[in-house]
Amino acid sequence: EIVLTQSPGTLSLSPGERATLSCRASQSVTSTYLAWYQQRPGQAPRLLIIDASSRATGIPDRFSGSGSGTDFTLTISRLEPEDFAVYYCQHYGSSPLTFGGGTKVEIK
Amino acid sequence: QVQLVQSGAEVKKPGASVKVSCKASGYTFTGHYVHWVRQAPGQGLEWMGRINPNSGGIIYTQKFQGRVTMTRDTSISTAYIELSRLRSDDTAIYYCARDLWVGGTSGHDSWGQGTLVTVSA
Repeated sequence: EIVLTQSPGTLSLSPGERATLSCRASQSVTSTYLAWYQQRPGQAPRLLIIDASSRATGIPDRFSGSGSGTDFTLTISRLEPEDFAVYYCQHYGSSPLTFGGGTKVEIK
Repeated sequence: QVQLVQSGAEVKKPGASVKVSCKASGYTFTGHYVHWVRQAPGQGLEWMGRINPNSGGIIYTQKFQGRVTMTRDTSISTAYIELSRLRSDDTAIYYCARDLWVGGTSGHDSWGQGTLVTVSA
């Protein structure tokens, strides 16, 4: 089973700032089969990124993903008020699929 | 538009079973895997398994082997998850989610609203 470790646990930033979130895998992720999700309080997760770097339909271009192998990054170029939420990475290259523990982006 | 609508909240006693439904609309139900993900209160996301609505093929995560059953009824475009021998730590919101890819595994692009299952004596 691939274990995904996200860091930091909490990121305190102001609107307009840049957010950089990390996701590290315990072993190489097959073919960059990695996704990122956003979850706001009381809501279901929302798919942001697939295949490590491809934005899902309707996702603003301030969200970008990068990485390969065991190290992946989600970057939010300029935080909007609605971006303050919890973010999860997930691999889907092999079973079982697993999620990281999440990074909370909070208003400073 | 793609929509997944889940059944309502449940309260169960330890040792009982619960069955949650997920009705799909707005797309070809048999074309996309349906995943089940749960989230304990204040905790992260946990993938439980997935079903191929076309073939009925299932993959469960080992943690739930023997306690979980995933089924589907293609005539009404509905997937189900049943969890038996419930324990207090099964208290969680259970989500169904559609796989983005046709006939394969990728990110989950549409999610149900979630079903809160509470296990309490």
